[in-house]
Amino acid sequence: GAGVSQSPSNKVTEKGKDVELRCDPISGHTALYWYRQSLGQGLEFLIYFQGNSAPDKSGLPSDRFSAERTGGSVSTLTIQRTQQEDSAVYLCASRLSPGADNQPQHFGDGTRLSIL
Amino acid sequence: LAKTTQPISMDSYEGQEVNITCSHNNIATNDYITWYQQFPSQGPRFIIQGYKTKVTNEVASLFIPADRKSSTLSLPRVSLSDTAVYYCLVVSSNTGKLIFGQGTTLQVKP
Repeated sequence: GAGVSQSPSNKVTEKGKDVELRCDPISGHTALYWYRQSLGQGLEFLIYFQGNSAPDKSGLPSDRFSAERTGGSVSTLTIQRTQQEDSAVYLCASRLSPGADNQPQHFGDGTRLSIL
Repeated sequence: LAKTTQPISMDSYEGQEVNITCSHNNIATNDYITWYQQFPSQGPRFIIQGYKTKVTNEVASLFIPADRKSSTLSLPRVSLSDTAVYYCLVVSSNTGKLIFGQGTTLQVKP
């Protein structure tokens, strides 16, 4: 079946512009995660959505970052007034449920964001 | 979440068995251990997970001692295509949130 889909695969933009990154999780997966992978920081957690619960935003690096998940499916990560340090690969993952069966997360191949 | 420590890099040759050990001294009772593999320009891919003792699937085995303070990923008869970064993670069964360390870069040579 279809995996996690992210778009665009690559995004180049100028410093100061806003960007939106999209994630389509696997159908039926209730949990959705965003991560960021950069050369200097490795792979870091950003935000987590689970059903209709309030998202866990503890990993967002600044208030320029926000994310939403509409209808419990597609998610959009928005970065406002982009800075050069925002350049990274942004990865999305989904999971069937965070329940006791410990389902693994399935990752997309990410959006490579480059800020000029 | 429990911090994990694993070797930064390992080298091996085709056909050999590779064992990557990870320490997680502060693992909590409800945490479990999971391993991911990542190739360049791709997202991490789930390999195996376990809570205790031994788990085996079609690609790897995972050994977890009784105290659960460490775990060992075993890759039988590696090939060149197994060259990748391998991440050991301890995961809360409540949230499933993954905290990645540096991972182990495995280089398989001919």
